[in-house]
Order: sequence, then structure tokens, then C-alpha cells
Amino acid sequence: DAMVIQNPRYQVTQFGKPVTLSCSQTLNHNVMYWYQQKSSQAPKLLFHYYDKDFNNEADTPDNFQSRRPNTSFCFLDIRSPGLGDAAMYLCATSRGASGDSEQYFGPGTRLTVT
Amino acid sequence: QKEVEQNSGPLSVPEGAIASLNCTYSDRGSQSFFWYRQYSGKSPELIMFIYSNGDKEDGRFTAQLNKASQYVSLLIRDSQPSDSATYLCAVTHSSASKIIFGSGTRLSIRP
Repeated sequence: DAMVIQNPRYQVTQFGKPVTLSCSQTLNHNVMYWYQQKSSQAPKLLFHYYDKDFNNEADTPDNFQSRRPNTSFCFLDIRSPGLGDAAMYLCATSRGASGDSEQYFGPGTRLTVT
Repeated sequence: QKEVEQNSGPLSVPEGAIASLNCTYSDRGSQSFFWYRQYSGKSPELIMFIYSNGDKEDGRFTAQLNKASQYVSLLIRDSQPSDSATYLCAVTHSSASKIIFGSGTRLSIRP
């Protein structure tokens, strides 16, 4: 059974047209993360939620926003996608925020910007 | 200096041999270390984690940690073609709720 679910798996959007990616989890984990991964690069952390507390990475562009309405769901909003935002977007969860809590990834959403 | 460094590869290993993947990290306070496997076009999958110095074995996989040398490795015994993937090393600090990924080593198992 899928534990971290991402929808859609593939998303095509036009340059400048807002897009929302969704993530849900059945693990009841406290922490949810959003990563951006481009080809042959490491996943890059955009932000994470510990419960309702939002933690933004310093170098995450303002174009990227996130919402977590409840424990199970987390959304990534890209307000005005540029060609450089085409990437795989990965959602992950972990039980706790301490360093010994493993992260589990969803299958990812491949975003194409035309 | 990158926080987590890995040789990008590709590392080519014959089927049945031992594949050895290496990772170094810069933060001496790092407490937890993870190895993820990522197939092309797929998301990372956790295969091993290690917190203490020494070896940790799980089936064909062995993780080795040396905090004094700031070095963590992954050994894959009896390599199979299905082990061909990119292996990501990830490191976290006990005071942070995030992990830092290396850019991965691409492993190719040749029949």
C-alpha cells in the first residue's frame, strides 16, 4: 500500500501559469518535506513542515509556496512557473524532526513547463 | 567544499562482485547517515541507515561509518543487474530536521 502519495505523477503547465502539486501520507508522520530534483543532481530541499510549523530554506525562491491544511496533506504551489522550474518534485515524510528519523519519499511529480 | 561528497561515477562492477560506494561529509556534528537507491525517473528509496561507528549489515548490504574520518560507505555483495541505479548518500545533524544529500554515484552492474 502506498504510504506517501503524490498527484499528479506528471504535470505539464505553461510558462507563468500557476500550478499546484499535492502530497498525502498514511503514515501519520509529523514532518513533511518538499524537494526539487533536476537531472543528475541531488534532491534540493525547498521547505518542510513540522506539524503546522513552516520552515523555508533560505534559497527557496518566493515563487514557491506551500500549504499543509492537516497532518495528511501538503501542497506545493508554484505561482509563476519558469522554464527553469521544470524538474521532479519529491514529497517526503518523517516521524520526527530529530536527526535519527528516516525520510520516506513519494513517487514524485515530473513537472514540464512549456 | 560540498557538505556531502560522492564520486559521480559511473562505477561499473561485474555481476556477482562487491560494489563499494563511498561518501564523505564536512559537518563533524552529523549524527545520522542514510543510503538511498534511486532508479532512473523514480524517487529515492531508503535502503540503509547507520548512526554508530562500525558496520551495519542488512542482507547483501553493509553500511560502514567512520566518524573520525567523516566517511560512510555502502558495500553491496553479490551484485545483481537490478542493483544498477544511482546511490545517494544523505547526512543529517542532530540539531536539524533536514538531511543533506550528495549528488549520487551511478552504479552499473555488468552481466
